[in-house]
Amino acid sequence: AQSVTQLGSHVSVSEGALVLLRCNYSSSVPPYLFWYVQYPNQGLQLLLKYTSAATLVKGINGFEAEFKKSETSFHLTKPSAHMSDAAEYFCAVSGRGYNQGGKLIFGQGTELSVKP
Amino acid sequence: EPEVTQTPSHQVTQMGQEVILRCVPISNHLYFYWYRQILGQKVEFLVSFYNNEISEKSEIFDDQFSVERPDGSNFTLKIRSTKLEDSAMYFCASTVGAREQYFGPGTRLTVT
Repeated sequence: AQSVTQLGSHVSVSEGALVLLRCNYSSSVPPYLFWYVQYPNQGLQLLLKYTSAATLVKGINGFEAEFKKSETSFHLTKPSAHMSDAAEYFCAVSGRGYNQGGKLIFGQGTELSVKP
Repeated sequence: EPEVTQTPSHQVTQMGQEVILRCVPISNHLYFYWYRQILGQKVEFLVSFYNNEISEKSEIFDDQFSVERPDGSNFTLKIRSTKLEDSAMYFCASTVGAREQYFGPGTRLTVT
């Protein structure tokens, strides 16, 4: 069985500050991990993905995440927050079968607010 | 850039009525999904569809739900007799198979 836990349902940072959104996963098979972003009234957009290659993954809009197997974590970071980063962020896991269209299991989501 | 589209964006229905939510996946994709998100809760997997049949379904996807790909482009989710607890945002997604899933903007279903 697989699961995802996102610590903090709401994170608030100042513009220009570091963004850190936490995600821990549980998986009985080697996981594939994803971060999606959802802007108001829009669908889910992929930010980045880990699929067993490099443990440090770079995504769009300056975001990156590091896969740490020993900590079962896949935290999302961005060095400097921008007002346009305000959105809901979802961490998701997919196990063996992803390459055959396996389902995604999502965390609860973290709403990021950016203060001017 | 190709995208997944969903109609309608918002559907209001009375309890016990049938609803059909429609999705047009990206044209060369092979795997199709429905997910839902009840307000304030996580996004939950409902069903996946490949090669014209269901490949996996969750416990939520009971006999009241069905999916269909009627014409090679549309992908529909039908709820036969809606309940209040079916009120949620429903997302359609598709993928080629070895890459990320692309999500539509969602249909907000409100059951009164």
